[in-house]
Amino acid sequence: GAGVSQTPSNKVTEKGKYVELRCDPISGHTALYWYRQSLGQGPEFLIYFQGTGAADDSGLPNDRFFAVRPEGSVSTLKIQRTERGDSAVYLCASSVPESGANVLTFGAGSRLTVL
Amino acid sequence: QKEVEQNSGPLSVPEGAIASLNCTYSDRGSQSFFWYRQYSGKSPELIMSIYSNGDKEDGRFTAQLNKASQYVSLLIRDSQPSDSATYLCAVNSGGYQKVTFGTGTKLQVIP
Repeated sequence: GAGVSQTPSNKVTEKGKYVELRCDPISGHTALYWYRQSLGQGPEFLIYFQGTGAADDSGLPNDRFFAVRPEGSVSTLKIQRTERGDSAVYLCASSVPESGANVLTFGAGSRLTVL
Repeated sequence: QKEVEQNSGPLSVPEGAIASLNCTYSDRGSQSFFWYRQYSGKSPELIMSIYSNGDKEDGRFTAQLNKASQYVSLLIRDSQPSDSATYLCAVNSGGYQKVTFGTGTKLQVIP
């Protein structure tokens, strides 16, 4: 597609529920990033994929968070047993690191609210 | 110590003035440096990238990099009310392509 697409744009769920957030990167972009942004804060790195593999998942806060990118394109961020502190905007970005200039293009984000 | 540090502001400047935004980073091995602009309720968008020491100019924007001091700055000349946004400093650090963001500086340009 022309840009990075994220769905859903808004998700309201109850504490303890399971949530999936989807990211469809720009066609041909090999790298895909997930960030979490809380109000008044900068994007917080969660995980980075190069192709199908997670090259760096050091930002995932705990084992309730998991992300996959099975075919090297679309990625899904999965959050189990959601907590109120998980409420944030989840941003996805893609890039072509091989170009030498790792410029990230962001999607519009998925706003997660945990009641 | 945070990996990328910025003053959260807000930084208020009058229309037409120069806005100066600063950023320091902790990883000496960092190779690439970026400034992103984020309007309220929107996603970050790239405005400048810089990879070597010195200045890089693009229109009203100038990015400055000093790797010895681990310091990056962004100057906005002839500031306009439309420049009012949060400016995020980002650093590509380590052997991987991890990109780390600062907390952002909120800029307010007063007409």
